[in-house]
Amino acid sequence: AQSVTQPDIHITVSEGASLELRCNYSYGATPYLFWYVQSPGQGLQLLLKYFSGDTLVQGIKGFEAEFKRSQSSFNLRKPSVHWSDAAEYFCAVGASRYKLSFGAGTTVTVRA
Amino acid sequence: DVKVTQSSRYLVKRTGEKVFLECVQDMDHENMFWYRQDPGLGLRLIYFSYDVKMKEKGDIPEGYSVSREKKERFSLILESASTNQTSMYLCAIALSSYEQYFGPGTRLTVT
Repeated sequence: AQSVTQPDIHITVSEGASLELRCNYSYGATPYLFWYVQSPGQGLQLLLKYFSGDTLVQGIKGFEAEFKRSQSSFNLRKPSVHWSDAAEYFCAVGASRYKLSFGAGTTVTVRA
Repeated sequence: DVKVTQSSRYLVKRTGEKVFLECVQDMDHENMFWYRQDPGLGLRLIYFSYDVKMKEKGDIPEGYSVSREKKERFSLILESASTNQTSMYLCAIALSSYEQYFGPGTRLTVT
């Protein structure tokens, strides 16, 4: 069965510093991969997705992610973090019948 | 823009009450989902529906049922609410290829 691991429960980063969130997945074939962001009290917003092709994917809000098949990873990055990036981030992999399997999430705190 | 609305942002119910959570989409998408979200557990799928009157259990269906009488509306029902069903409930719709869009969520407290 498909599964997603986000090893970091909580990350604190200074404003203006770079950010990398880790995601490892377990899936037999080429996966459909997603990153979502959830601001406090809100629903989830899609940041970016990978289906096939170029392994470096650009998303909204200045985020990018890189698919590495050899490492079963899909890590999310942002070169320079803004205070508004404080949120919870979820990695997800596509399962059968359009279902998604989500990781437990990583909470990002941004300090001034 | 895809729009998914949920009937309530916050809800407080008593143990044993029957609770209805409603999700409405403004497009013609077949696939709709109900998740619950708990700290440290991420999102877990309760039920999903792939067409009117069609439904399938997710990973944690116990204590829940669903109804989809019209394509745009997908309801989650807690037959007899219990305190362990206190959670954030999220509805989503799927476009093609697994891409899901979420509603704002309903935070349910059962006392």
